[in-house]
Amino acid sequence: DIQMTQSPSSLSASVGDRVTITCQASQDISDYLVWYQQKPGKAPKLLIYDASSLRPGVPSRFSGSGSGTHFTFTISRLQPEDIAIYYCQHHDNLPWTFGQGTKVEIK
Amino acid sequence: QVQLQESGPGLVRPSQTLSLTCTVSGGSISITNYYWSWIRQPAGKQLEWIGRIYISGSTNYNPSLKSRITISLDTSKNQFSLKLSSVTAADTAVYYCAGAGGDSSSWGIFDSWGQGTLVTVSS
Repeated sequence: DIQMTQSPSSLSASVGDRVTITCQASQDISDYLVWYQQKPGKAPKLLIYDASSLRPGVPSRFSGSGSGTHFTFTISRLQPEDIAIYYCQHHDNLPWTFGQGTKVEIK
Repeated sequence: QVQLQESGPGLVRPSQTLSLTCTVSGGSISITNYYWSWIRQPAGKQLEWIGRIYISGSTNYNPSLKSRITISLDTSKNQFSLKLSSVTAADTAVYYCAGAGGDSSSWGIFDSWGQGTLVTVSS
């Protein structure tokens, strides 16, 4: 199985700050990388697919980049409603696996 | 976009079989190029993909659970189901049903999710 390692596991930032999360794959997954946002008690919500494509309707302050084994997810200006856990997930080959998540909090 | 809703017992005894159903509304479960999956999340832990089914009945399972999983489809009811046998406390989790589709490169991008249902394994 491909292992997905996210860092940091949690972070605290101020409203308006730039937030960056990284995701490392244990082998080359090209751009088969997805980012989800999960708020407490809710199902994950798709934000970014194909490493850098923003899902329609998702605010443009969210972005993704990377390919191969190293990926980043960025919130350009953190908003109070962005408080959540963010997960990366590969879909290169079965089984699909997820990162352990990054909890984003407001300072 | 389709809506998904999980249903089933919230409590299962150890060694018994966990059974959940996902009802799809707002669209047909028989849509082509769309896979239906089960995903679970133990409390405070990461998400784990369990397995998926296609309208043909073809399935793929996570090797870590393969010997205990059965996923099936009932197109007449627009539902798909999960059975997980010989459960232990380690199977306690929120279980989600989810859909992914489009071209073949999108079959692992989950763009629709149920709200999730907590299943506790306890005597």
